[in-house]
Amino acid sequence: DVKVTQSSRYLVKRTGEKVFLECVQDMDHENMFWYRQDPGLGLRLIYFSYDVKMKEKGDIPEGYSVSREKKERFSLILESASTNQTSMYLCASTRTGEYETQYFGPGTRLLVL
Amino acid sequence: RKEVEQDPGPFNVPEGATVAFNCTYSNSASQSFFWYRQDCRKEPKLLMSVYSSGNEDGRFTAQLNRASQYISLLIRDSKLSDSATYLCVVQHIGGYSSASKIIFGSGTRLSIRP
Repeated sequence: DVKVTQSSRYLVKRTGEKVFLECVQDMDHENMFWYRQDPGLGLRLIYFSYDVKMKEKGDIPEGYSVSREKKERFSLILESASTNQTSMYLCASTRTGEYETQYFGPGTRLLVL
Repeated sequence: RKEVEQDPGPFNVPEGATVAFNCTYSNSASQSFFWYRQDCRKEPKLLMSVYSSGNEDGRFTAQLNRASQYISLLIRDSKLSDSATYLCVVQHIGGYSSASKIIFGSGTRLSIRP
């Protein structure tokens, strides 16, 4: 059974803190994605990676960075958290050529105070 | 204008009813289309792909109209367990290096009442 896990389900941080969100997949997928989901806006792509050490900006990369040192792990970093980064963060992975079948993690609900 | 637009709902229908959602997309170069389902406080999961000729999976039927740039999802004989948010997803080549670009709609919320 395919599995994508995220390090935390709920997280509360203060403005200005550095925040790390971790995502791990056990399917040997090449591609990994970070989205945020907000009411009325749907899922918006922050960053994605199609290989180890490779990364590409999505639609809303500002205020975020990512790291992919190992194939199975994709980290999202908020360098200095702000209140407008309060959101649900979803990680996903796909095999190359099978982009439609995105396997999502359970999500991390982040609150920035 | 959003690239993928859906009626947010909520659609509140009785059990056993037939319900249909539409989704419009703005990029005529879009190539692949899907419906995902997202339960409350859960992650999205692929429900079905949408093919040009239309396709059916049990009580679910998906249709694509390229000329009008919309896709639809029809649910027959709705069950309480169908209550969820349904996300329309569109894919087209380009946008991010050579990879496909996948765009999610904001979702249509469906609530089935007993």
